[in-house]
Amino acid sequence: QSALTQPRSVSGSPGQSVTISCTGTSSDVGTYDYVSWYQQSPGKVPKLIIYDVSKRPSGVSDRFSGSKSGNTASLTISGLQAEDEVDYYCCSFAGRYTSLVFGGGTKLTVL
Amino acid sequence: QITLKESGPTLLKPTQTLTLTCTFSGFSLNTDRVGVGWIRQPPGKALEWLALIYWDDDKRYSPSLQGRLTITKDTSKNQVVLTMTYMDSVDTATYYCARDTYDMLTGFPRYYFDYWGQGTLVTVSS
Repeated sequence: QSALTQPRSVSGSPGQSVTISCTGTSSDVGTYDYVSWYQQSPGKVPKLIIYDVSKRPSGVSDRFSGSKSGNTASLTISGLQAEDEVDYYCCSFAGRYTSLVFGGGTKLTVL
Repeated sequence: QITLKESGPTLLKPTQTLTLTCTFSGFSLNTDRVGVGWIRQPPGKALEWLALIYWDDDKRYSPSLQGRLTITKDTSKNQVVLTMTYMDSVDTATYYCARDTYDMLTGFPRYYFDYWGQGTLVTVSS
């Protein structure tokens, strides 16, 4: 099972919105609504920020939102802040045999 | 309070077997409908899912590594153990354990990790 495809990097100015895509296939993102997103600062543990495509865990800012269309899931970060300049990973369920697959990660730069 | 912590060797030689233990608290693999998974991250690279074990002993493995991985649980000790055989330098990574939960309505796993351990760096070198 190949990793989900994410852009290596995205950028945006403070206050703007950016969207990170996560492209899979009809075997994972396209079929299941089990898409999650993780935020990871350098040297830190990944933090869950979105699950079930668009749900936010308690305590996660509403500046983070998720969506899905076809085989592509997206994470949108609105009102960009300097602290958002970290790495983001998507993850999807891919069926009983494969179970889970992560994306290659996206580094967000706040200009 | 839910916590997970990984333990195991920090340095291995090629071909050796890695045994990692995840010791957790704040939930039970015996009475709670949860699962514990392993994820690794080579230095400077992406996360990679390795294995999962659920409360009912349902086990899942990454297809690319399935032949090398074994995941078990010891509910009396609140531990999950991952073994990986034939370690190689490409297996050098930080290894994390993390919790998955169940949807009580559907009876299926949620397939996301809400709590993570701090991670342990395993280096494979001769």
